[in-house]
Amino acid sequence: VLTQSPGTLSLSPGERATLSCRTSQSVSSSFLAWYQQTPGQAPRLLIYGTSIRDTGIPDRFSGSGSGTDFTLTISRLEREDFAVYYCHHYGDSLTFGGGTKVDI
Amino acid sequence: ELQIEESGGGLVKPGGSLRLSCAVSGLTFSDAWVSWVRQAPGKGLEWVGLIKRQADGTVDYGAPVEGRFTISRDDSKNTVFLHMNSLTSEDTAVYYCAHVNTLSGSYFLGQWGQGTLVVVSS
Repeated sequence: VLTQSPGTLSLSPGERATLSCRTSQSVSSSFLAWYQQTPGQAPRLLIYGTSIRDTGIPDRFSGSGSGTDFTLTISRLEREDFAVYYCHHYGDSLTFGGGTKVDI
Repeated sequence: ELQIEESGGGLVKPGGSLRLSCAVSGLTFSDAWVSWVRQAPGKGLEWVGLIKRQADGTVDYGAPVEGRFTISRDDSKNTVFLHMNSLTSEDTAVYYCAHVNTLSGSYFLGQWGQGTLVVVSS
């Protein structure tokens, strides 16, 4: 089970966002990813292997963590970053966290 | 460039069946692993299932759909299918198809299609 917190994060452009993803048991950092979803759009891969940015993802996005605690950080929010973020673990089954909405 | 396109969604009655298609281009399809993920209206992402390449012979399903849904592939058409049976209102969702990237030992859903909407209603 992946538990994301907070459910909603209300911030302003330029602020720092810290999103948490906690797993119910220790997982390999190779199999932890983050996705961004804006309204009406498909999810988009941001980070894989806990900390590796996908091609074209700005460096204001960073991922970290190990074991059961993982974090997605957006250093300075831009307007297009207000979206829902999901963490994901590829294991025996694929699981997603419940999502964190980053709201203005 | 990797491209993914789902089709086949629509309105179906409870207890009915539907087949979704996922056309993939821009890679060696016969080596591709493909996953289905769904999203009910206003809800989060839920894993439906995964099919590995034919040589691996592995197909896995999420608990909510196991026994009702079947995933298959036709490598000659670069297409993966999701066969859905015994549908209920709880299966109403946008169904996404995604390529499973196994780059450098990290496994993740690298590229997603735009999704196709399935509505189960009488």
